[in-house]
Amino acid sequence: DGGITQSPKYLFRKEGQNVTLSCEQNLNHDAMYWYRQDPGQGLRLIYYSQIVNDFQKGDIAEGYSVSREKKESFPLTVTSAQKNPTAFYLCASTRGLGDYGYTFGSGTRLTVV
Amino acid sequence: AQSVTQLDSHVSVSEGTPVLLRCNYSSSYSPSLFWYVQHPNKGLQLLLKYTSAATLVKGINGFEAEFKKSETSFHLTKPSAHMSDAAEYFCVVSGSDTGGFKTIFGAGTRLFVKA
Repeated sequence: DGGITQSPKYLFRKEGQNVTLSCEQNLNHDAMYWYRQDPGQGLRLIYYSQIVNDFQKGDIAEGYSVSREKKESFPLTVTSAQKNPTAFYLCASTRGLGDYGYTFGSGTRLTVV
Repeated sequence: AQSVTQLDSHVSVSEGTPVLLRCNYSSSYSPSLFWYVQHPNKGLQLLLKYTSAATLVKGINGFEAEFKKSETSFHLTKPSAHMSDAAEYFCVVSGSDTGGFKTIFGAGTRLFVKA
């Protein structure tokens, strides 16, 4: 079955470290997204990518970086510049930007220790 | 500018009774509207979507929603709650706006179902 795989499910980071969250899809979708979820705040867009080798900042991109070297993969790096990284991170994809049916991964919970 | 407001942060119902989760939206253009469900520590799953066709939209698991332009509402309903419906529900608005294409998620409504 097609879908989105996020790994790891749980991740612990020490202060000052960079960590990378993996997102892989086998849906042949062009557009991919990273969202951050905090309690009571819904989902906030970090970065999105419409095609390979292209990506755009979302509403809360500071302290994060992404790459899109392959259509299937859209990893997110949480850098030490992100002041409050503890959150639930969700990766999603759509056939194209403006296509309205999001498919979500099962998420990565990042905790700073 | 687009916005979406879920009017209740928590809703509690008894099993077998109706569910009503309320959502109001604001959009400069004709929006598309969605409801997603999220179980604990999981991703979001699409329940249903409105994209300018029939105003009463039926989704999975017996849920439905009615688009009311005059009230700018898109409330989610289900005639009879089941224990497995306990989850968080998100109302989402998508469409073109002055700043380009945007998707806005509501803050979520947590549904509790009592036995």
